[in-house]
Parts: sequence; C-alpha cells; structure tokens
Amino acid sequence: DAEITQSPRHKITETGRQVTLACHQTWNHNNMFWYRQDLGHGLRLIHYSYGVQDTNKGEVSDGYSVSRSNTEDLPLTLESAASSQTSVYFCASRAGGSSEQFFGPGTRLTVL
Amino acid sequence: TQLLEQSPQFLSIQEGENLTVYCNSSSVFSSLQWYRQEPGEGPVLLVTVVTGGEVKKLKRLTFQFGDARKDSSLHITAAQPGDTGLYLCAGASNNNDMRFGAGTRLTVKP
Repeated sequence: DAEITQSPRHKITETGRQVTLACHQTWNHNNMFWYRQDLGHGLRLIHYSYGVQDTNKGEVSDGYSVSRSNTEDLPLTLESAASSQTSVYFCASRAGGSSEQFFGPGTRLTVL
Repeated sequence: TQLLEQSPQFLSIQEGENLTVYCNSSSVFSSLQWYRQEPGEGPVLLVTVVTGGEVKKLKRLTFQFGDARKDSSLHITAAQPGDTGLYLCAGASNNNDMRFGAGTRLTVKP
C-alpha cells in the first residue's frame, strides 16, 4: 500500500545545529508540503513543492529550506536550529488536481 | 490572527450526547475540509465540501458548508469515546492554497 513516512519520529537537538527531517511518499504525488503544528496555531505551512526541482515558501518559511530532487522525497532542513522551532512537523502529499492531502505521522522536534 | 476560527477550542462531553463544532472565516473558500487527528498521528481527511449549502453525512457525523462558503459546521450525534480527537477544518482558495484552523479538541467520556 502507498504511504507517507517521516523520520526521525522524535529528535532533540541544540540551538545552532543544522537538522534535516526526512519525508518519503510512495503515492507518486507531485505536490508535497511541510507544516508545523503548535498549540493554538493549528497547522502552518512552511514550504511546499509542486514537482521535482520546484520549491516555494509558505506562511512561516524563515529559518527553513527544502529541496526536491525526486518525486518521492522532500527533506526539510533547519539551517541553524532555534528554540522557537521546537514543534511537531508534518509532511503531506497531494495528487495534482485533488484537494485531499495525505499526512505523515509527524516528527516531534525539541531544540534546547 | 487565525484565518479560520474554530470553536469551541475544547469540548468534553459524555458518551451519547450530541455536539456541534464550528469553523468560521471572513474569507470565501472554493472548498472546505474536515480532518480528525489522534495523538501521535497526522490528520486524516473526513470530508470535503465544495458547494455552498452542501450537507454531507458520514455515519453519525454531519458536515455543512455555509451558503456563502465562509463557514462550516460538524455535528456528531450520539458521540462515542472513539470520536475523541482533534478536529481540524481547512479552507482551500482557488489556487488550492490551504489554511488550517487551530482545531477543536473533543473528549468523549464513557
């Protein structure tokens, strides 16, 4: 069965370190998204991609970057982690022309 | 400022009760979705509504899209402990840009 996976599921890091969160989907979806979820804010869009080599900034993109070298993967990099980036991160994918998003299980990141 | 306001933020009820949660906005959406999220998992899509005034039923859950496509409600009849979770609404604009509300956290006690 097709799925979307994230790794690691939990990560603790220190301020200033570079961190990369992985997202892999086997749906063959062109559209992929990264969100962060914080209490009281719901899901906020960080970056998204509509296909290989395409990346776009979302609502809260500062301090984050993504790359899309193939259809299946959209890694999210925190260039220099900050305590404000402590959050739960969700990756999602969506078929072109569809509004239904499929979410991964999330990565809980703690920046000390 | 949240583009989509969900209310109530928290709701705790007894098994068998009925409840309604709301999703309101000043913006018009081309479609609106409701998701349910359990602890430690990602949101899972329940329904998509597209037409103003549309009503969709999913077993004991009834979803309604406002006539002006700015708001929506989710009504659960005879709630069960298995309905416990975070209910999120998400509105899509014409370019498929999607914004999420902060959610309603529902607890159904046995």
